[in-house]
Amino acid sequence: DTEVTQTPKHLVMGMTNKKSLKCEQHMGHRAMYWYKQKAKKPPELMFVYSYEKLSINESVPSRFSPECPNSSLLNLHLHALQPEDSALYLCASSLILGNEQFFGPGTRLTVL
Amino acid sequence: RKEVEQDPGPFNVPEGATVAFNCTYSNSASQSFFWYRQDCRKEPKLLMSVYSSGNEDGRFTAQLNRASQYISLLIRDSKLSDSATYLCVVSYLGGFKTIFGAGTRLFVKA
Repeated sequence: DTEVTQTPKHLVMGMTNKKSLKCEQHMGHRAMYWYKQKAKKPPELMFVYSYEKLSINESVPSRFSPECPNSSLLNLHLHALQPEDSALYLCASSLILGNEQFFGPGTRLTVL
Repeated sequence: RKEVEQDPGPFNVPEGATVAFNCTYSNSASQSFFWYRQDCRKEPKLLMSVYSSGNEDGRFTAQLNRASQYISLLIRDSKLSDSATYLCVVSYLGGFKTIFGAGTRLFVKA
């Protein structure tokens, strides 16, 4: 299995909702990442997990809460988002930090 | 100054042309370098890693110049399917920091 999967593909939520994004890989990778990408902009790193430990938080607002239940799974919990949080949320994994990253197809999030 | 800079283009080239992209980075401690391509409304896909000695994969050649702090990508014999945005990626701090360039848009026309 050489892919990263993400669910859901699309998500529409109100500003008072709580939702979660899910990412999974079965390549034995030990580093996993969350990125946010706005239209016509490059991906921006949000969180990095290395060996299931949160290694960096790029000053992301607390309404985004990551979780790494095990080495194959990565979640991003969303609460009280703002319309400007609407974007494509990409998950990626790499064998270890610093190696090539492989991206999932992303979740396209719209906050109303 | 941005940490990773690319010419946004767009580059409009005919099929069969050779096209080159450059990317400069500001952090001299940068350790890993990659080129990704991204199609419209899709995820970035790894094109190739960039090594100090330079490396080639079919029609694609990547070079790294640490002294001048830039990497390059050369595409030979362009195909229509090469039309995409090409993203330069730099990693440092042991991989804790990953920075994407803004991307260079390529259109290959018949």
